[in-house]
Amino acid sequence: GNSVTQMEGPVTLSEEAFLTINCTYTATGYPSLFWYVQYPGEGLQLLLKATKADDKGSNKGFEATYRKETTSFHLEKGSVQVSDSAVYFCAFISNFGNEKLTFGTGTRLTIIP
Amino acid sequence: NAGVTQTPKFRILKIGQSMTLQCTQDMNHNYMYWYRQDPGMGLKLIYYSVGAGITDKGEVPNGYNVSRSTTEDFPLRLELAAPSQTSVYFCASSQGTATINEQFFGPGTRLTVL
Repeated sequence: GNSVTQMEGPVTLSEEAFLTINCTYTATGYPSLFWYVQYPGEGLQLLLKATKADDKGSNKGFEATYRKETTSFHLEKGSVQVSDSAVYFCAFISNFGNEKLTFGTGTRLTIIP
Repeated sequence: NAGVTQTPKFRILKIGQSMTLQCTQDMNHNYMYWYRQDPGMGLKLIYYSVGAGITDKGEVPNGYNVSRSTTEDFPLRLELAAPSQTSVYFCASSQGTATINEQFFGPGTRLTVL
């Protein structure tokens, strides 16, 4: 069935380090892919998205590329900041219109000064 | 714009009690959703609505009921609370189908059933 596998956390990095959070998916058809971020005490916010193969989503210095051949959507940032500390969720939705976002389990990221 | 608001923020229920989680959005969005987030897990869809008067089951609807009498409000009802319903509940809304539209989330309701 449909599922998302993402890097288990927690991940702790120093400020200005390079970040990669791996995400792979199992889905039928051509899903739309998302990264959501959850800051402490808040609801989820959309960070970036990609709706077709080879699309690159980007926002706030984060990037992820839709790789259909490897069914992956890895999140990267070149230089993280303390304010990036949060939980990151990879997700996808099938384009068959059933409104069901499938989420990964989340990766908790902590950036230390 | 307040966005998506949820009440209450926290609640403790005894087994068998009932309660309604409130969700309101002021963005005139047609689509609204209820999710639950269990510890160490991703979000799972409970129910959703594509417009006033229309609701549909998600992945984990058992033990819950919803209604959508207005565009703004989408309450979630727990009739007979069980410990398995201990979770954080998030309401979300979007302009249109989640396939291409961003979902906006509320801050969540943390529910404990003892």
